[in-house]
Amino acid sequence: GAGVSQSPSNKVTEKGKDVELRCDPISGHTALYWYRQSLGQGLEFLIYFQGNSAPDKSGLPSDRFSAERTGGSVSTLTIQRTQQEDSAVYLCASSLVGGAFYEQYFGPGTRLTVT
Amino acid sequence: QKEVEQNSGPLSVPEGAIASLNCTYSDRGSQSFFWYRQYSGKSPELIMFIYSNGDKEDGRFTAQLNKASQYVSLLIRDSQPSDSATYLCAVCSAGNMLTFGGGTRLMVKP
Repeated sequence: GAGVSQSPSNKVTEKGKDVELRCDPISGHTALYWYRQSLGQGLEFLIYFQGNSAPDKSGLPSDRFSAERTGGSVSTLTIQRTQQEDSAVYLCASSLVGGAFYEQYFGPGTRLTVT
Repeated sequence: QKEVEQNSGPLSVPEGAIASLNCTYSDRGSQSFFWYRQYSGKSPELIMFIYSNGDKEDGRFTAQLNKASQYVSLLIRDSQPSDSATYLCAVCSAGNMLTFGGGTRLMVKP
């Protein structure tokens, strides 16, 4: 079946602009996660959704970052007033349900470059 | 702060040998442990997960967990050049998020 999909695959933006990144999880997966991977920080958690609610936003690095999920499916991560330190690969993962004993499957990622 | 530690490598092994990748974690409350493989420029691909002490085998891969020592490892038997990649250890604790180690780069030489 289809895996996690993300769009765009690459995004180049100017400092100060807003960007939206999209994630479409595996069909039937109720839990959705956003991570980012950068050279200096490795792979770090951003936010977790169970259904449409986000019980854990602890990883969002600043209030410029927000995310929503509608219809229990597609999620959008928005970064306002982008900064150069936001440059990274943003990865989305989904699992059947949230919990420690369910595998998380990653999408291909969106490479964000802020110039 | 919850930490997951891996030797960055590179770990170099000859084709056909056993590759042994190691990971330690700091949170004793950690419940499940995952190994992902990541090729350069690609996203992480799940290989195995384990949550009980002992060994779990899947094909050429064996995951080993020792909660008392806070240690998890991945063995790759009959290593192939196509196994050359970065291997990420990830730990899930009380929350649902994964905490990742920095990864070990494995090189399998023909």
